[in-house]
Amino acid sequence: EAGVTQFPSHSVIEKGQTVTLRCDPISGHDNLYWYRRVMGKEIKFLLHFVKESKQDESGMPNNRFLAERTGGTYSTLKVQPAELEDSGVYFCASSQYKGTSPLHFGNGTRLTVT
Amino acid sequence: AQTVTQSQPEMSVQEAETVTLSCTYDTSESDYYLFWYKQPPSRQMILVIRQEAYKQQNATENRFSVNFQKAAKSFSLKISDSQLGDAAMYFCAYRRTNYGGATNKLIFGTGTLLAVQP
Repeated sequence: EAGVTQFPSHSVIEKGQTVTLRCDPISGHDNLYWYRRVMGKEIKFLLHFVKESKQDESGMPNNRFLAERTGGTYSTLKVQPAELEDSGVYFCASSQYKGTSPLHFGNGTRLTVT
Repeated sequence: AQTVTQSQPEMSVQEAETVTLSCTYDTSESDYYLFWYKQPPSRQMILVIRQEAYKQQNATENRFSVNFQKAAKSFSLKISDSQLGDAAMYFCAYRRTNYGGATNKLIFGTGTLLAVQP
């Protein structure tokens, strides 16, 4: 089966611009998660979708971040306007069930805001 | 709030030798899960090993084993017979149990970059 796919793998944008990251989970996985790792720090949870619904968005840093999962398939994470502190690696992960099934990660999108 | 600490930003090991990566955590809960994830360069993060807190026996997966010390809140990873393919960033992670509908929301440490020398 295809794994979790993230696009793009790298993105370099200027402060104030908009960037949209995409995640295609494993087919059939209702649960989709976004995580972020700022350079040198821990990976932090951003939010969790169950199908198209946001189950938990407690980790979203501020309202410049907007996540969607229309139709319960792929998800997008938009940053608008981007700030320097948004630089980092954004990971997407999916699982079939909420807690007991393994979490499958994508390769991540490295975002650099200059 | 739960926290996970990895105090070794970088480690190095000779091929075929054994290395131990440290992880401590803080929680007031008695039941939870602990994980070690591995992320090779430019590749997906994959699960290495998982430990349920209610199990006293340390988890093992081939050359990978853990030393789970619940009272000390310590969860170290031992890699035996290190191979070049073990070179990666290793993340320790904590997750609450699934009671009450808890999700796969993981709390990660900052990671340890492991280099394997030929």
